[in-house]
Amino acid sequence: AQSVTQPDIHITVSEGASLELRCNYSYGATPYLFWYVQSPGQGLQLLLKYFSGDTLVQGIKGFEAEFKRSQSSFNLRKPSVHWSDAAEYFCAVGARRDDKIIFGKGTRLHILP
Amino acid sequence: DAEITQSPRHKITETGRQVTLACHQTWNHNNMFWYRQDLGHGLRLIHYSYGVHDTNKGEVSDGYSVSRSNTEDLPLTLESAASSQTSVYFCASSESGSYNEQFFGPGTRLTVL
Repeated sequence: AQSVTQPDIHITVSEGASLELRCNYSYGATPYLFWYVQSPGQGLQLLLKYFSGDTLVQGIKGFEAEFKRSQSSFNLRKPSVHWSDAAEYFCAVGARRDDKIIFGKGTRLHILP
Repeated sequence: DAEITQSPRHKITETGRQVTLACHQTWNHNNMFWYRQDLGHGLRLIHYSYGVHDTNKGEVSDGYSVSRSNTEDLPLTLESAASSQTSVYFCASSESGSYNEQFFGPGTRLTVL
C-alpha cells in the first residue's frame, strides 16, 4: 500500500528566504505525486503534480518540486517566500490502479516578517 | 464557474443524533470523496464514489455512510454521532483517473457534544 511521510510538522522561515518542504513516499511503482496547499479556514488547492516525464515540475505561486525516484522523494521548493505563503502544505500520492490519493499529515509553514 | 459546495459550514449536534452533511459539485465529475481532517492525522478518507450508485469504504468509514443517487451529490451521514466524530469534513471531486486533480469544498466543521 502506498504511504506518504512529511517529516516536518512545522517549518519557520523568514520572508524572502528560500523554502524546501520534504516529502517521502512509499509505493511499488512510479506513483502520481501531488502537493496541495491549505490556507486557514479553506479547502485544499493543488499547487502542482507529477505523473510522468520531466522530474522537475513547476506549479502555481512560484512553487516547484522535484521527483527523485532513487530517494523516493518529492520535495517542494520556492526560491523566495512571501508572507502570503503561510499555510499548511500536504504532499499526496496516488496509485495507478485506482483514483484514490493518500495524503501526508501536512507541514505548517510559518513566515517571519 | 464550476464549483463544489458543502453545507452547513458549521454544525453543532449532540451525541446519538443523526447528522447529514451535504456535498454538491457542478464539475460533472464521476469521482467524489469524503475526508476528515484532524490535528496530527492530516486528511483521512472516509468514503468515496466512482459514479452513480457506486460507494466504497475508506480507511475510517465506521459510523459513516454515503449514497450516490446522482452525479452532483454525495451526502455523508453520521448514523449516531459520537464525540470522536468532532472534526472538519472535506468533500472533493475529480474526473476519472488518479492523475487528475481533486477539487475540494470549503469544509464543514462538526462539533459533537
